[in-house]
Amino acid sequence: DVKVTQSSRYLVKRTGEKVFLECVQDMDHENMFWYRQDPGLGLRLIYFSYDVKMKEKGDIPEGYSVSREKKERFSLILESASTNQTSMYLCASSSGTVREKLFFGSGTQLSVL
Amino acid sequence: GENVEQHPSTLSVQEGDSAVIKCTYSDSASNYFPWYKQELGKRPQLIIDIRSNVGEKKDQRIAVTLNKTAKHFSLHITETQPEDSAVYFCAASRNTGRRALTFGSGTRLQVQP
Repeated sequence: DVKVTQSSRYLVKRTGEKVFLECVQDMDHENMFWYRQDPGLGLRLIYFSYDVKMKEKGDIPEGYSVSREKKERFSLILESASTNQTSMYLCASSSGTVREKLFFGSGTQLSVL
Repeated sequence: GENVEQHPSTLSVQEGDSAVIKCTYSDSASNYFPWYKQELGKRPQLIIDIRSNVGEKKDQRIAVTLNKTAKHFSLHITETQPEDSAVYFCAASRNTGRRALTFGSGTRLQVQP
């Protein structure tokens, strides 16, 4: 079974803090994604990567950056957390083309106070 | 870029009834349309998908239809059961260009026993 693991289930941070959300997959998938889930807004794409050291902006990249130094790990970074970044963050991975199934992590509920 | 609209946002049906969720998309080049189901507190999982060379696809009690001319696709669930209660997300993508899914805003389906 594919496993996508997010390092924290719940996280509470202060405004202005630098925040790291980690995601690891164990299936040698080329593609990794960070989505943000908010009620009524669905899943919005923040950043994605289709290869090591490659990254592409999604629909809402402002205030975020990413790092993919190893194939299995994709990190989301909030350089200076703000209250409007309070949300559920979902990592996902897939192999091959965009038509392949996405495997999601269990999510990190981030609260920025 | 692609924009996917999903309706309704909430849907309540009696057990045994049918449920229909509709999505429209904006990019005429989109050709892959998956549906994900997210049960309460769990991660989204792919339940069915359709590609642009077919108009309908069935898998037991669920079916998806696609109308490329009108740029809309729908999820149909027949003989609903309480375990169908979840949030359902539609999504769309194209083969070329951005290799990531654009999701709709989600539909919360409640099946009343």
